[in-house]
Amino acid sequence: RKEVEQDPGPFNVPEGATVAFNCTYSNSASQSFFWYRQDCRKEPKLLMSVYSSGNEDGRFTAQLNRASQYISLLIRDSKLSDSATYLCVVNRVGDSNYQLIWGAGTKLIIKP
Amino acid sequence: ETGVTQTPRHLVMGMTNKKSLKCEQHLGHNAMYWYKQSAKKPLELMFVYSLEERVENNSVPSRFSPECPNSSHLFLHLHTLQPEDSALYLCASSPSGGEQGYEQYFGPGTRLTVT
Repeated sequence: RKEVEQDPGPFNVPEGATVAFNCTYSNSASQSFFWYRQDCRKEPKLLMSVYSSGNEDGRFTAQLNRASQYISLLIRDSKLSDSATYLCVVNRVGDSNYQLIWGAGTKLIIKP
Repeated sequence: ETGVTQTPRHLVMGMTNKKSLKCEQHLGHNAMYWYKQSAKKPLELMFVYSLEERVENNSVPSRFSPECPNSSHLFLHLHTLQPEDSALYLCASSPSGGEQGYEQYFGPGTRLTVT
């Protein structure tokens, strides 16, 4: 089982729709969770951290389910500019305190 | 955004060349990272430095040699690379490592092509 797993997509979604991604992680001791977005041929950019209580930033909502070991990202009223690859990231627990484990990403395409 | 800068942005080099990638962070962070991103693959962590000390080396071939002269600068020295080393090389920084992973901030990357 991969340490962090995401559906690669692509998700083709009409503009204005709501879209949700899930990401599962294997280490129950992980404590830090993030969503990044990466545009084509650009660097990853932090979208939001994911807190135990869930958090919202405008049209974006992130949730953490520790029991089932997954995090989710919900995008409401999607815009064309939301088209990107969304990366799920979890901290590695163990010998290294510096490593983040990166999912392979979910590609989102918003269509007009 | 100029929090983390990288030069050059694009680099084409032959297999016998020696070149260096440079990264500079202006965020006051303690940890810096080199990643490799090949097409359609997840980010691969190469090296981690914390307070100028290398703390991670993820079995990277010796043709890649990192250098961290201070907490704001990071270099990746390249020599006798192979065509399969062609990729996007990303530098990142974070406040620290610690028991929890801290969010990392990336530079724009160097797109490397080895001919």
